[in-house]
Amino acid sequence: DVQLVQSGGVVVQPGGSVRLSCAASGFIFDDYTMHWVRQAPGKGLEWLSLISWSGGDTDYADFVRGRFSISRDNSKNSLYLQINSLRPEDSGFYYCAKDSSGYYFDYWGQGTLVTVSS
Amino acid sequence: DIQMTQSPSSLSASVGDRVTITCRASQPVGIYLNWYQQKPGKAPMVLIYAASNLQSGVPSRFSGSGSGTDFTLTITSLQPEDFATYSCQQTYNTPYTFGQGTKLDIK
Repeated sequence: DVQLVQSGGVVVQPGGSVRLSCAASGFIFDDYTMHWVRQAPGKGLEWLSLISWSGGDTDYADFVRGRFSISRDNSKNSLYLQINSLRPEDSGFYYCAKDSSGYYFDYWGQGTLVTVSS
Repeated sequence: DIQMTQSPSSLSASVGDRVTITCRASQPVGIYLNWYQQKPGKAPMVLIYAASNLQSGVPSRFSGSGSGTDFTLTITSLQPEDFATYSCQQTYNTPYTFGQGTKLDIK
């Protein structure tokens, strides 16, 4: 079975940094583009970033470009999201998601709660 | 960026009802339109991809239609497990924007 298992929740001070991880199993990880999506409390879903199967191509939503960095380690079947200069409005659930190769997200991680608070 | 607007934002219905949720894109997205269901405390789950294709394992009471800028998700004969939040997403180009969500609850 396909599984995406994300790292545990974190509390970070404003201005701090965090690296989220997503461990994949049950599929050939380096065949697929991967994504990060977030959801602020009580709000809708926001697409953040994607990384190609090789890691050679990345893309970001404009509102995170420069502060967020997506990466992957195919030898470890793992996806990462580095977030710097955290702001209170970055608080919420962060999800990793697998691209189906058909322009939709067919599997999602369980989510990681990031709380930015002093 | 392509803006996705769903209506209504919330909807009350009864078991057995037929409901329709609409999604409008600010510019044409072809059929690069997906629908997700999300229950409280859970990750989203794809229901419909490419506007009208039912994801494997999803009950046939869910259906999608549309192309270009206007899309609909229809649920016939609502079941108790269908009360959730539904979101559309365009994957025509990045950023892959979502609608604001439609919360479907029990009347």
